[in-house]
Amino acid sequence: GAGVSQSPSNKVTEKGKDVELRCDPISGHTALYWYRQSLGQGLEFLIYFQGNSAPDKSGLPSDRFSAERTGGSVSTLTIQRTQQEDSAVYLCASSLFDPGMDTQYFGPGTRLTVL
Amino acid sequence: AQTVTQSQPEMSVQEAETVTLSCTYDTSESDYYLFWYKQPPSRQMILVIRQEAYKQQNATENRFSVNFQKAAKSFSLKISDSQLGDAAMYFCAYRTALSGNTPLVFGKGTRLSVIA
Repeated sequence: GAGVSQSPSNKVTEKGKDVELRCDPISGHTALYWYRQSLGQGLEFLIYFQGNSAPDKSGLPSDRFSAERTGGSVSTLTIQRTQQEDSAVYLCASSLFDPGMDTQYFGPGTRLTVL
Repeated sequence: AQTVTQSQPEMSVQEAETVTLSCTYDTSESDYYLFWYKQPPSRQMILVIRQEAYKQQNATENRFSVNFQKAAKSFSLKISDSQLGDAAMYFCAYRTALSGNTPLVFGKGTRLSVIA
């Protein structure tokens, strides 16, 4: 079946502009995660959605970052007033809600460049 | 908070040889999961192998195996008969088993080169 998809693949924006990044999880996966991968760094957790529960926003670096998940499926990560330090690859992952078997499947990511 | 450390930023191996990538982690929990993910230039993270902390037997997936030392908090990945397609970034990751799905905690990765 189809894997996790993300769009756009690459995004170049100017400092101060808002951007929206989209994630389509695997059908039937109730858990969805956003991670950020900065140059030379590992993956940093941003936000996590599980079904209809309130999202875990503990990893968001500032209030310029927000995310929503509509209908328990597609998710959008929004960065307002982008800064150069926001330049990174943003990865989305999804998994089944099964604590013993919740392998996270990743999308190809969106490379964001803030000029 | 849990941390994951990969002390080898870069490694290289000759094709058909064996290489071991190191990973250590810090946690006070007794039940957790450990993972190795591969990230080729396409950026797609691919699960290589996973290990449940309560299992003493080391996980194996074809040419990939782990050496899990719980007391030492060490989780190394061994790649046997290395192939050109194994060249990628490899990330070690930790997830608590205490409360359902939780985010992964990643190390900073090891870039593996395979020499023909």
